[in-house]
Amino acid sequence: GAGVSQSPSNKVTEKGKDVELRCDPISGHTALYWYRQSLGQGLEFLIYFQGNSAPDKSGLPSDRFSAERTGGSVSTLTIQRTQQEDSAVYLCASSLELAAAGELFFGEGSRLTVL
Amino acid sequence: GDSVTQMEGPVTLSEEAFLTINCTYTATGYPSLFWYVQYPGEGLQLLLKATKADDKGSNKGFEATYRKETTSFHLEKGSVQVSDSAVYFCALSPGGTSYGKLTFGQGTILTVHP
Repeated sequence: GAGVSQSPSNKVTEKGKDVELRCDPISGHTALYWYRQSLGQGLEFLIYFQGNSAPDKSGLPSDRFSAERTGGSVSTLTIQRTQQEDSAVYLCASSLELAAAGELFFGEGSRLTVL
Repeated sequence: GDSVTQMEGPVTLSEEAFLTINCTYTATGYPSLFWYVQYPGEGLQLLLKATKADDKGSNKGFEATYRKETTSFHLEKGSVQVSDSAVYFCALSPGGTSYGKLTFGQGTILTVHP
């Protein structure tokens, strides 16, 4: 597609449920990133992929968070046993290659609300 | 660790006023610096960037100069328009082996009135 596509755009879930957030990067972009935007924490880096590999997972807040990328394209961020503090907008971004890091193209985000 | 500090908002201006949004950073090595903008209902977009000291990034009438001596990257525009109303984020990328790990400031809300 023309831009980074994320789904769902909005998700409301109950505490303790698992959620999956999907990101479809710009075609041809090899690097993919996940960030979280919340009122209290601003924009936080979560994880990035180069191809299907995730060299740096240090930003994931806990072991309830995981992410994968298959075929060098679509990525899924999974949050298990959601907690209220997981409520935030989850942003996905892509770039042509890692060398262009910083020049990221962002999606509109998936807003997660945990009740 | 790396950090970015932006002037607190919100900032409210009249059309054609001069805009400055201050940004200072703390980082080791030689980071690249960026301004991203988020218009209402849209995703973050790169506004401008600078990759080394004394570089000036510019786009859409906005400018920012990478000042290593003052560790600053202030955003300026000579004459703002209503359409510039958005949230502005200063960010740095450490480069090296930390690709993609942008550190963002808290964001500054700009509202421009006709």
